[in-house]
Amino acid sequence: EIVMTQSPATLSVSPGERATLSCRASQSVSSNLAWYQQKPGQAPRLLIYGASTRATGIPARFSGSGSGTEFTLTISSLQSEDFAVYYCQQYNNWYTFGQGTKLEIK
Amino acid sequence: QVQLVQSGAEVKKPGASVKVSCKASGYTFTSYGISWVRQAPGQGLEWMGWISAYNGNTNYAQKLQGRVTMTTDTSTSTAYMELRSLRSDDTAVYYCARDLGWFDPWGQGTLVTVSS
Repeated sequence: EIVMTQSPATLSVSPGERATLSCRASQSVSSNLAWYQQKPGQAPRLLIYGASTRATGIPARFSGSGSGTEFTLTISSLQSEDFAVYYCQQYNNWYTFGQGTKLEIK
Repeated sequence: QVQLVQSGAEVKKPGASVKVSCKASGYTFTSYGISWVRQAPGQGLEWMGWISAYNGNTNYAQKLQGRVTMTTDTSTSTAYMELRSLRSDDTAVYYCARDLGWFDPWGQGTLVTVSS
C-alpha cells in the first residue's frame, strides 16, 4: 500500500496570505495525485487532479505542483472560505489518502 | 448537473448489517465506476472499495474483505454498499463518489451509527 503523508497537520495563516501544503508519497505515484477540500459537515470537494489541473469551477488562487513523491498545494491569497481541511489522494495504485492538513485562521 | 444522492442515516446494533444506496444522475452511469469512502468521527478519509458500473467488477480494501459487498442496479443508476458484522468502529459517515481515478463528485454522505 502506498502511504501518503501530509504536512503540517495544522497550518495557521492570516487571510490574504499564501498557504503552502505538502504531501509526500511512500513511492512514486507519477502525477496521479488529487487534492480535496473538506469543510465541517460537508463532503469533500475536488480541487486538483493530475497533480496540477484545477477542477471545474475552482478559483485560480488554488494551484498544485509536483510529481513522483513530492507534491504541493498552494493557495495564493487566502479567503475566509478557504479555511478547511485539505486531503491529498494518490490514484496510481488504487487509492490512498493523506491524513489531512487543517488550515486555520491565524 | 452530475449528482450523487445517498440514502439516509442508519442506526444499527453490533453484529447487524447496513446497506447504503447512492443514486446517480446527470451522466451515463455505466461509463464510470463508483468508489466508497468512509470517515470516522473526527478522522480522515478511508477508501473502502470500487465497483465498475459497466460490468460489476469490484476491488475492496483488504481490511474490509469478507465484510463488504458493492453492487449496482443499472436500471435505476444506483450503487449500493453493504457492510456486515458491524462493530462500533464502523461508526462513520459513508460517502460514494464517481470514480475517474480522482473522485468527483461525492454524495452528501450517510451517517451509520453502530451502538448497542
